[in-house]
Amino acid sequence: DIQMTQSPSSLSASVGDRVTITCRASQSISSYLNWYQQKPGKAPKLLIYAASSLQSGVPLRFSGSGSGTDFTLTISSLQPEDFATYYCQQSYSIPRKFGQGTKVEIK
Amino acid sequence: EVQLVQSGAEVKKPGESLKISCKGSGYSFTSYWIGWVRQMPGKGLEWMGIIYPDDSDTRYSPSFQGQVTISADKSISTAYLQWSSLKASDTAMYYCAKRNILTGYSTFDYWGQGTLVTVSS
Repeated sequence: DIQMTQSPSSLSASVGDRVTITCRASQSISSYLNWYQQKPGKAPKLLIYAASSLQSGVPLRFSGSGSGTDFTLTISSLQPEDFATYYCQQSYSIPRKFGQGTKVEIK
Repeated sequence: EVQLVQSGAEVKKPGESLKISCKGSGYSFTSYWIGWVRQMPGKGLEWMGIIYPDDSDTRYSPSFQGQVTISADKSISTAYLQWSSLKASDTAMYYCAKRNILTGYSTFDYWGQGTLVTVSS
């Protein structure tokens, strides 16, 4: 199985801050990397696929980059509605595991 | 509008059996894989397995192989997740999700609302 490791596990930030979350795969996954956002009590929502492609309807302040084993999710200017937990997921092979999540909290 | 509607919360005792459901609408149910994802209380997302409703081709995570059964009834556009003997450690929220291929990359683009399963004596 390919293991996915996110860092940090949590972070505190203020509205307007630039936030970066990293995700590392245990082996190369090319660009087969998705990012999801989950708010408390809600199902996850797809933000980014293919490492850097924005899902339809997702605000432009979200962006993704990386390939191979190292990936990042960036929120350029954090908004109140962005406080949530973010998960990366590899889609290279089965099982398509998720990272452990990064909780973005209000400072 | 694409929708995945899951069955309601369940409270069961250890050793009991259970089958939860996920009904798809607003798209061609037989043309897209449906996956199941577990989220234990306060924890992250775990990919359990996936089924292609048209022919019931199923793939499991090794972590869940033999622990659950994924099935589908394409005549009623419904996928299922089933346990034959529940354990307390099966207590979790379970999500179904529709797989989509976007520019050649696999994603879960629509999710059900989740089914909370509580196993307690």
